[in-house]
Amino acid sequence: DAGVIQSPRHEVTEMGQEVTLRCKPISGHDYLFWYRQTMMRGLELLIYFNNNVPIDDSGMPEDRFSAKMPNASFSTLKIQPSEPRDSAVYFCASSPDRRGIQYFGAGTRLSVL
Amino acid sequence: AQSVTQLDSQVPVFEEAPVELRCNYSSSVSVYLFWYVQYPNQGLQLLLKYLSGSTLVKGINGFEAEFNKSQTSFHLRKPSVHISDTAEYFCAVRAPQGGSEKLVFGKGTKLTVNP
Repeated sequence: DAGVIQSPRHEVTEMGQEVTLRCKPISGHDYLFWYRQTMMRGLELLIYFNNNVPIDDSGMPEDRFSAKMPNASFSTLKIQPSEPRDSAVYFCASSPDRRGIQYFGAGTRLSVL
Repeated sequence: AQSVTQLDSQVPVFEEAPVELRCNYSSSVSVYLFWYVQYPNQGLQLLLKYLSGSTLVKGINGFEAEFNKSQTSFHLRKPSVHISDTAEYFCAVRAPQGGSEKLVFGKGTKLTVNP
């Protein structure tokens, strides 16, 4: 298996623009997680899905952030409008079960100018 | 709410020296414990896990960790480190009875192995 695939790897955009990050989980994994990593705040869970259904979005910072999982093999995290403070590395991870073993993608490094 | 404390933000060591990265968690219930490693410009990958059974857990790359319930600790150790072990290490906890599949991560410890 190719692992969790995220795209793009790098994104540079201007403040106010819409940004869409994409994730393809490992086939057969029932759980998908979106994280944000910054120097100041460390690794933060934004939202996670189980069988394509959002379970906990309490980590989503504000209404500018939204996430969808239209099917078992694809998820998006959208920021609209983007702000400089959204600059971070965003990770997607998938898991086959509830035990906590998660497989991370390589991340998307977002820079909002 | 659960929390994880990694007591050292940075740990510099020389090659072939032993290392211990400390992790304490706060939970009054049984937990699952993990160490993940992040190499530069990469995602996190699982190093080892404690789910049940033996309190001494062995992982990849020669690392091991010991679950100590009375001290609520899960310290990571390696008897002899290599340059290639330079990375950031994250301790994480999950309470299986909590109903949530969330992992709570510590702030991370940057291990730098010098020649």
